[in-house]
Parts: sequence; structure tokens; C-alpha cells
Amino acid sequence: DTEVTQTPKHLVMGMTNKKSLKCEQHMGHRAMYWYKQKAKKPPELMFVYSYEKLSINESVPSRFSPECPNSSLLNLHLHALQPEDSALYLCASSQDQASSYNEQFFGPGTRLTVL
Amino acid sequence: AQSVAQPEDQVNVAEGNPLTVKCTYSVSGNPYLFWYVQYPNRGLQFLLKYITGDNLVKGSYGFEAEFNKSQTSFHLKKPSALVSDSALYFCAVTRPGGGADGLTFGKGTHLIIQP
Repeated sequence: DTEVTQTPKHLVMGMTNKKSLKCEQHMGHRAMYWYKQKAKKPPELMFVYSYEKLSINESVPSRFSPECPNSSLLNLHLHALQPEDSALYLCASSQDQASSYNEQFFGPGTRLTVL
Repeated sequence: AQSVAQPEDQVNVAEGNPLTVKCTYSVSGNPYLFWYVQYPNRGLQFLLKYITGDNLVKGSYGFEAEFNKSQTSFHLKKPSALVSDSALYFCAVTRPGGGADGLTFGKGTHLIIQP
């Protein structure tokens, strides 16, 4: 199984809502990533988990809260978002973070719209 | 710091003709270079990578890329373009031990294959 799955595919939320994005992989990868991608732009790294510990937080606002419950799952909890947070949120995984020569496998993304 | 430049926002090629999507990079030390493709409303798919060794790298869907150290380039090529190759292409760079820095993506190049 070389697939990274993400749910939901689409999410519309108000600025006062709390929601969560989910990501799952069963490739035995020990590094998992959250990216934010605006239309026609490259992905921007938000968080990296390595062996279920947060290793990179790219100065992301606290209204985004990542969680890695186990080696296969990655969540992104959303609270009090702003309309400018509307984007495609991509999850990715790789064998491990230290071996930077390993390619990342991306999920299809969650299209988030904040009203 | 590491960076990637994709000088063309868009490349137009007639079906059946060869295609080239350009990428140049800047990184301390030896680079690890990647090409990813993104179809509309989808995640990124890995095409190929250069780690070391042979400068010509072959990847998925008939794509190949040539690593040129003196020109710090890693152009993506295909001998005969298909309409289905139309997509957004990203070049990315990291380096040995660069897991802490993550991947740096270029801005992307829209490839349009005309029937």
C-alpha cells in the first residue's frame, strides 16, 4: 500500500468553528508532514513529525494544532481560522526525516474554505 | 539556505514533440533533487530524483532529467509529449543531512500539451 489518504476531501467552516483534518499512511513511514498550498503556488511546509514527535514547526499560527497519535496517523486541528487560511492542505510521508534522499508521498489534500 | 528556480511559468508543447521543463538550484554541498507533478485538485506525485551517480535519471511516465553540476540545473525532459502530461510540475531540492530543513520547492511550471 503506497497510498496516503486524507479526510475530508472538502471542508467549509466558519471562523468560530473547530474542525480537524486527518491523514493516514500504512507504508511504515516514520516522518509525516503538513503542507499548505495556495492556488498555483508551491506547497509551504507547516509541520514535520519524526517518529511521532514534532520536529519542525514553521512559525505556524497557533490556530493550527498538529497531532500525531501514532506512526500511521496525523491530524491537524483547526480553530478560529481566518478566510486567508483557505487553501489546499496536503499531508505527506517519507521513510524518515533524516534520510532526506527519500521521496515524499503526498495525499490528495483537503480543500479548506473558511467563511 | 537552499532555493530552486523554475524560470518559466508556462511551457506549451505540441503533442508528439519533445518537452523540457527547466529547473536550477542553489544549495550548500551536494544536492538531492526531485521532480513532482500535480494534476488539478490533487496532491503531488513523485516523478524522479537525483541522489548521486549517473547524471541522467529516468522516472515515471517516460520522464527523465539530467543533472548538470556546473550549470546547477536539473531539467525535466520527455522525448514525445502526451496531452495527458498537461499538469503543474514542481522541482524541489534538499541536501544530505537536510532533513531538518525539509524540501524547498520551486514556484512550479504549468505544462500545456496541445493536441
